[in-house]
Amino acid sequence: DSGVTQTPKHLITATGQRVTLRCSPRSGDLSVYWYQQSLDQGLQFLIQYYNGEERAKGNILERFSAQQFPDLHSELNLSSLELGDSALYFCASSARTGGSNSPLHFGNGTRLTVT
Amino acid sequence: AQSVTQLDSHVSVSEGTPVLLRCNYSSSYSPSLFWYVQHPNKGLQLLLKYTSAATLVKGINGFEAEFKKSETSFHLTKPSAHMSDAAEYFCVVSSSSYGGSQGNLIFGKGTKLSVKP
Repeated sequence: DSGVTQTPKHLITATGQRVTLRCSPRSGDLSVYWYQQSLDQGLQFLIQYYNGEERAKGNILERFSAQQFPDLHSELNLSSLELGDSALYFCASSARTGGSNSPLHFGNGTRLTVT
Repeated sequence: AQSVTQLDSHVSVSEGTPVLLRCNYSSSYSPSLFWYVQHPNKGLQLLLKYTSAATLVKGINGFEAEFKKSETSFHLTKPSAHMSDAAEYFCVVSSSSYGGSQGNLIFGKGTKLSVKP
């Protein structure tokens, strides 16, 4: 068990809808990362927060947004959903902003299906 | 810029035979390198990491990897495969710059390991 909790495990919704994915990092970890994993794109980095502030931004669409709250949990909001947004969304956490002494610990993911 | 290439998208071995998953990296400085494993419907789990302390790194579940600077390689090996090793394996290199567009870690595309009985 990595200590990273993601909810919900599965989400099925229709095109055009909006969903919120939630992540609780490992106790004591200040950094939260979001990744999208799909069959055609592989594992794609979306965004990173450190202690409530955005630290790095990857291939995140404008329809997507995230935030990290004072209690360090994070939410990823996906809106105007399209069929192509169907994927496994992972949250990971690390103690600091990254680096070799701060490996990522991954949650089990939220599987999003857009119909 | 840093990059990582996993040379095989799929490797199939028989139970009890050695495993070799190949990874080459590109880095303008001495990198930190990792191997992660992902079992079906699970998150990624850290197998091992190289941080310049020793070139041969031992990880969990009997896996190890050797850092070879001259070959820019970080191949993952295991002497004897178990059925439970069937999973996808990712080679990862640390980014030189925090806040970059790929975050702190750059993932390879993954190698799917199948283990036949």
